[in-house]
Amino acid sequence: DAKTTQPNSMESNEEEPVHLPCNHSTISGTDYIHWYRQLPSQGPEYVIHGLTSNVNNRMASLAIAEDRKSSTLILHRATLRDAAVYYCILRDVEIAGANSKLTFGKGITLSVRP
Amino acid sequence: DAGVTQSPTHLIKTRGQQVTLRCSPKSGHDTVSWYQQALGQGPQFIFQYYEEEERQRGNFPDRFSGHQFPNYSSELNVNALLLGDSALYLCASSSNLQGWEDTEAFFGQGTRLTVV
Repeated sequence: DAKTTQPNSMESNEEEPVHLPCNHSTISGTDYIHWYRQLPSQGPEYVIHGLTSNVNNRMASLAIAEDRKSSTLILHRATLRDAAVYYCILRDVEIAGANSKLTFGKGITLSVRP
Repeated sequence: DAGVTQSPTHLIKTRGQQVTLRCSPKSGHDTVSWYQQALGQGPQFIFQYYEEEERQRGNFPDRFSGHQFPNYSSELNVNALLLGDSALYLCASSSNLQGWEDTEAFFGQGTRLTVV
């Protein structure tokens, strides 16, 4: 499985934008970039995914580098509820289509200051 | 929509015993995956079921087995429990897609298993 590298932790202030980086230098052409987050005492929650182009949804934006070796999850205005562990995951759809397993690392712990 | 539901939420078992955990997928989903999450770690893939068959399996011993029913719900069974099996067990559901599209997985709240 292609691997991702994330910082261990990051702090942000409430109502400010947050940029969470992820490096994936060994990404293959059939790897989708996924982000999930896990709030305390809950199961992981899907945030966003993309292949090549930048993606936006109601939760966040995903900026993908042109060479696809890195990506950034952008939370436009952090709230206290956004404090969580954020996982950057590569999923190879060539292996088992959209149902390939998700390989989680340790993720990045985001703290949000009031 | 109830989302993914898991039962029970908490469970305490004795070493050597057997346990069964249950999962009902999100409405419209036909694929169920199971993950184990130890304290302070990310979830680790156990296996996935589709059309009542195990389709993929992670690096877990045969003590871990599963089943999927015709209504797409699933069970995870663990035999001969070890202290190291204490963890949060997560169920995720998704829709099987063809081709090169990708989609999200929906996770349940998990079952916290403690082996004493």
